[in-house]
Order: sequence, then C-alpha cells, then structure tokens
Amino acid sequence: EDKVVQSPLSLVVHEGDTVTLNCSYEVTNFRSLLWYKQEKKAPTFLFMLTSSGIEKKSGRLSSILDKKELSSILNITATQTGDSAIYLCAAVNYGGSQGNLIFGKGTKLSVKP
Amino acid sequence: EAQVTQNPRYLITVTGKKLTVTCSQNMNHEYMSWYRQDPGLGLRQIYYSMNVEVTDKGDVPEGYKVSRKEKRNFPLILESPSPNQTSLYFCASSLISGGASEQYFGPGTRLTVT
Repeated sequence: EDKVVQSPLSLVVHEGDTVTLNCSYEVTNFRSLLWYKQEKKAPTFLFMLTSSGIEKKSGRLSSILDKKELSSILNITATQTGDSAIYLCAAVNYGGSQGNLIFGKGTKLSVKP
Repeated sequence: EAQVTQNPRYLITVTGKKLTVTCSQNMNHEYMSWYRQDPGLGLRQIYYSMNVEVTDKGDVPEGYKVSRKEKRNFPLILESPSPNQTSLYFCASSLISGGASEQYFGPGTRLTVT
C-alpha cells in the first residue's frame, strides 16, 4: 500500500530558528513529490520535486528530493511567525490509473515570537 | 482571476439526503481532483479526473460519485450521506496530471452530516 510519512508531526520553534521537515514515501510508480503550506484555509503550493539531488529554493524555503532514500526535506531558515502552518507533502503515483496523489498527515509548525 | 471555486462553502444536512458539491475552475486545467481532510488523517484523495469523461478512484471513493462532463466542472455527489462523511472537502485542479504541475485548491467545503 502506498504511503507517505511526515516527521515530526508537530514542532514549536522561536523566530529566527532554522527548521527541517521530513517526508518519506513508499509509492509504486513514483513520479514526483509536492510540498504545500496550509494555514487556516486551502493548501498553497510550495515546491514540486521530480529529480533527485536538485534543490528548489524560494526565499527562505528550500527543498530537495532523495530518490535513493525515498525521502525529501523542507528547510525553512530564519523562521517568522508567518511561517506557522501545517506543511504537507504528497507523492504522486503515476501508474496505470495515473494521477493518484498520496498525502502525508502533515507537520504542524508553530513559530513563537 | 485564476481560481477554483466550490459551493457551498458550508453545509449541514441529514443522513440519506442526496447532495452535490460543485467545483469549477477557470484555468482550462485538464486534471481535477477531490480530497477530504480529517483530523489525524490528513488529506485523502477521493476521486480524480485526467480529462473530460475520464475519472478514476482515489484512496477513499466509497460513498461518493463524480462526473466530468465539461472541462471546467467536477461535481462531487453524495447519493446517501452518512455521518462518517462529515469532513472538510477540497477540490483541486492542475494544468496536467496531478504530479506534473502545481495543483490549485479551492477554498474548501465544510460538510456536516447529522
């Protein structure tokens, strides 16, 4: 059975800290891994990763995929209170039926001033 | 403005009363999908559609139906809702299949079945 596991499930840090969120996956016919940020509403897209070892970066956020280890990390440097959210990762099964996304349960990040 | 819209945003209904949650996107996206989100279980895919008249089951399709007669619309139908379908529902779309491009999510529909 396909699954995506995120760790930690929750994390409390102080402003300015650097955090690393983990995502591991077991997905047949893996195609890509997606990261989303969810505040009190719908998830918003952060990154899509398809190639191993290539870092994607957006401001203070960065992410990388390791296909050998079947995992990905999301780094946030110099955290701000606005980074407080649930961070979701999803793996795409692009097998016979195509397009099936499997989400992890998310990491709830709380950034304290 | 490019967006995914869902209606209604909130719905309280009773067991067994058929309901439809509409989803529409104005981005000419091929791929659309429905998810439910429950505490402790995260986002789970219900159904998805690769294009018009092409739909497929996700991880939790039981008790739901979908149709894709037009590219822009992807309604979610609950023929006989039950309390275990109380959840937050999201519709999403992407230009091409779900893992090959960014997915845009609708605002969510909070459904309560009593």
